[in-house]
Amino acid sequence: QKEVEQNSGPLSVPEGAIASLNCTYSDRGSQSFFWYRQYSGKSPELIMFIYSNGDKEDGRFTAQLNKASQYVSLLIRDSQPSDSATYLCAVIDRAGKSTFGDGTTLTVKP
Amino acid sequence: KAGVTQTPRYLIKTRGQQVTLSCSPISGHRSVSWYQQTPGQGLQFLFEYFSETQRNKGNFPGRFSGRQFSNSRSEMNVSTLELGDSALYLCASRTGTGQWNTEAFFGQGTRLTVV
Repeated sequence: QKEVEQNSGPLSVPEGAIASLNCTYSDRGSQSFFWYRQYSGKSPELIMFIYSNGDKEDGRFTAQLNKASQYVSLLIRDSQPSDSATYLCAVIDRAGKSTFGDGTTLTVKP
Repeated sequence: KAGVTQTPRYLIKTRGQQVTLSCSPISGHRSVSWYQQTPGQGLQFLFEYFSETQRNKGNFPGRFSGRQFSNSRSEMNVSTLELGDSALYLCASRTGTGQWNTEAFFGQGTRLTVV
């Protein structure tokens, strides 16, 4: 079992729809969770981070964390073509080591 | 504020050679992490340095090594290069380290091609 798993893509949604990206992790003691966006040929850039159970909203983005289920998700509301990218989930374990998922490629069609 | 600077941006090496990559973190950031990114394996953690000490290490062979200097700049070395080492090597800087880690700021990466 991989330490961090993301829902396999690619994911395609129409413009204006909600895109839902999911991530599960194996280390129950993990405390820090991050979502990065990576455009083709570019470096990853941070979208959101979350430490506590529940929802965290920032503009069109909402991160959700459920530590009991070892699950973290990212919702993108009113998806735009500019949101088309690969989204990476990253988890920091108890030792401080960061592990990234393989990423989910999102395409938003106009 | 300057971002994370990685040099060189592109590199072509021959099998068996060694290579050194450099990363200058954002001013004031003391943690530098290195990652290997390939289409098949995704983003793989190599190691993290904080205050000149290696804090964490991924599952890579001993051919991959690194160090950090007193000014927080870091270098990564790969010896006896193999074709499979061809990848994008990314460096990320953070203000701190540990479980409650802060966000990582990535450099533009070094694209290494081994022929």
